[in-house]
Amino acid sequence: AQSVTQLDSHVSVSEGTPVLLRCNYSSSYSPSLFWYVQHPNKGLQLLLKYTSAATLVKGINGFEAEFKKSETSFHLTKPSAHMSDAAEYFCVVSFNDMRFGAGTRLTVKP
Amino acid sequence: ETGVTQSPTHLIKTRGQQVTLRCSSQSGHNTVSWYQQALGQGPQFIFQYYREEENGRGNFPPRFSGLQFPNYSSELNVNALELDDSALYLCASSGGGASYNEQFFGPGTRLTVL
Repeated sequence: AQSVTQLDSHVSVSEGTPVLLRCNYSSSYSPSLFWYVQHPNKGLQLLLKYTSAATLVKGINGFEAEFKKSETSFHLTKPSAHMSDAAEYFCVVSFNDMRFGAGTRLTVKP
Repeated sequence: ETGVTQSPTHLIKTRGQQVTLRCSSQSGHNTVSWYQQALGQGPQFIFQYYREEENGRGNFPPRFSGLQFPNYSSELNVNALELDDSALYLCASSGGGASYNEQFFGPGTRLTVL
């Protein structure tokens, strides 16, 4: 069975400081992994995806994630947070269907 | 290129009623997936349609049913509504049924069951 666990329900950072959103996955097979962002009253937007190519994946808006099979992790990072990054972030594992994590709310303080 | 659209935006129903939600997929996409997102939770997979056939189903009872039309638009039907069905219902389209295909999400339909 496949599943995903987002280790933090809420992360708060100051503008200009690094962002780390943690995600661990469980899958019997080689999964596809995604990070989506959901801004209030807006649809889900894909940030990046891993599909068994390069383990370091670069996405939009300066985000990137590293696939670590030995740690079954797919953490999302950004070197410098911006106020506009405040949103809900979802880690997703996909094999036959997409399984979303519970989400991490990112707050960015000025 | 038109994105994924959903209608209606908001809906209020009472327990026991039936509801139909609609989704128009993005141009060129033949696969539609439906998700239920309860307040404060991540979206939960309901089912997927690929070329008018159901192509996978999550852990939802049979009173959740769907259709996909020849133009690849889709409907989600929920019978005998329960209070716990109150949620944001999201539709997503993609260019195929493969797991690695990016899904493009609509803005959702907010369903409230009283």
